[in-house]
Amino acid sequence: EVQLQQSGPELVKPGASVKISCKTSGYTFTEYTMHWVKQSHGKSLEWIGGINPNNGGTSYNQKFKGKATLTVDKSSSTAYMELRSLTSEDSAVYYCARGGDYGQAWFAYWGQGTLVTVSA
Amino acid sequence: DIVLTQSPATLSVTPGDSVSLSCRASQSISNNLHWYQQKSHESPRLLIKYASQSISGIPSRFSGSGSGTDFTLSINSVETEDFGMYFCQQSNSWPWTFGGGTKLEIK
Repeated sequence: EVQLQQSGPELVKPGASVKISCKTSGYTFTEYTMHWVKQSHGKSLEWIGGINPNNGGTSYNQKFKGKATLTVDKSSSTAYMELRSLTSEDSAVYYCARGGDYGQAWFAYWGQGTLVTVSA
Repeated sequence: DIVLTQSPATLSVTPGDSVSLSCRASQSISNNLHWYQQKSHESPRLLIKYASQSISGIPSRFSGSGSGTDFTLSINSVETEDFGMYFCQQSNSWPWTFGGGTKLEIK
């Protein structure tokens, strides 16, 4: 069974950074692109970017370049997303989502989401 | 970026009704359009990929159609478990984008 288990909720101060993890199981980690999606206010979804765990290659939504950095640890089949220079606009739920076969960008498997709250 | 416009924003229906949800793209995206359902406090769930391809484990009452710029998600005889938000997503051009969602609620 494919599972994506994300790290717990974060309360961070403005200007700080946070690193969210997404630990996977049930499939070969290096065979599927891992994507990250932001959901603000329980409504709209935004694609942040994706990473190829096999070679570390990344693609980012221009809107999130400089804000998000995607990495992986192949030894633990875990993907990470670091968000920096946080503001209130970054308060949201962040999901990791596994891409489809052969790099296709539909998302059949999602993590449970990580709530990031930016507040002093 | 490709903008996906979903309509209506809210759809109030009675269980047993059949409904159609619309997703319109700002430019042609062929059939690179996928549909998701999201219930309150849950992660999105993939319902349909490539406009009309069914997904294993998804009830057959869900179907998709369309190509180019106009797409439809149909639910034949809505059940109480179907209420929630529905999003479309395109994978034709970077960055991948989502529609604003349609809320399916009980009348």
